[in-house]
Amino acid sequence: GESVGLHLPTLSVQEGDNSIINCAYSNSASDYFIWYKQESGKGPQFIIDIRSNMDKRQGQRVTVLLNKTVKHLSLQIAATQPGDSAVYFCAENEGGVYGNKLVFGAGTILRVKS
Amino acid sequence: ETGVTQTPRHLVMGMTNKKSLKCEQHLGHNAMYWYKQSAKKPLELMFVYNFKEQTENNSVPSRFSPECPNSSHLFLHLHTLQPEDSALYLCASSQATATNEKLFFGSGTQLSVL
Repeated sequence: GESVGLHLPTLSVQEGDNSIINCAYSNSASDYFIWYKQESGKGPQFIIDIRSNMDKRQGQRVTVLLNKTVKHLSLQIAATQPGDSAVYFCAENEGGVYGNKLVFGAGTILRVKS
Repeated sequence: ETGVTQTPRHLVMGMTNKKSLKCEQHLGHNAMYWYKQSAKKPLELMFVYNFKEQTENNSVPSRFSPECPNSSHLFLHLHTLQPEDSALYLCASSQATATNEKLFFGSGTQLSVL
């Protein structure tokens, strides 16, 4: 039969509210994590990164939290705006011989209602 | 503008055609990547080049043939593709692969194989 497409989880938030997007990663040896945003018709755009020796990092309106115990990553967006509507991907660096091998999650759709 | 330019933006080809995708980065990076993004799977790493040398081939079929003539340019040569190869092909670059580095992506080539 025909394969079905990915069914991405969707988060709908009201403009001005805070958004929390979650991600579970698989490799306990991963030491570097990144969040990307992808708008329609564009490639993934870097938002924020965090290394495994940290559990929190803040940027402009965004915060990434890392919980290595349960292999969980989250992205918090403060005062969500319509321009934040996009697909959000987490990625973990599984390393390898040359050190940089980013493996991406399936993504979460963020819809911001005005 | 991310500093990574991909051409063409859209490509339609038959299964017997031969075509090439081009990527150029203006960031002074030393590593370049090909990723495949389809409706059925998360972003998949295909190839990695570090200082023009291929350091990763993620079990990609031989009908995809990469070429990296220098650190700024990356090509993906396509021949005898299948309809299931239809996808968005993304090029990315990073400073190097030896350390944890974020990737900068182009806008991709949307490929349709008829």
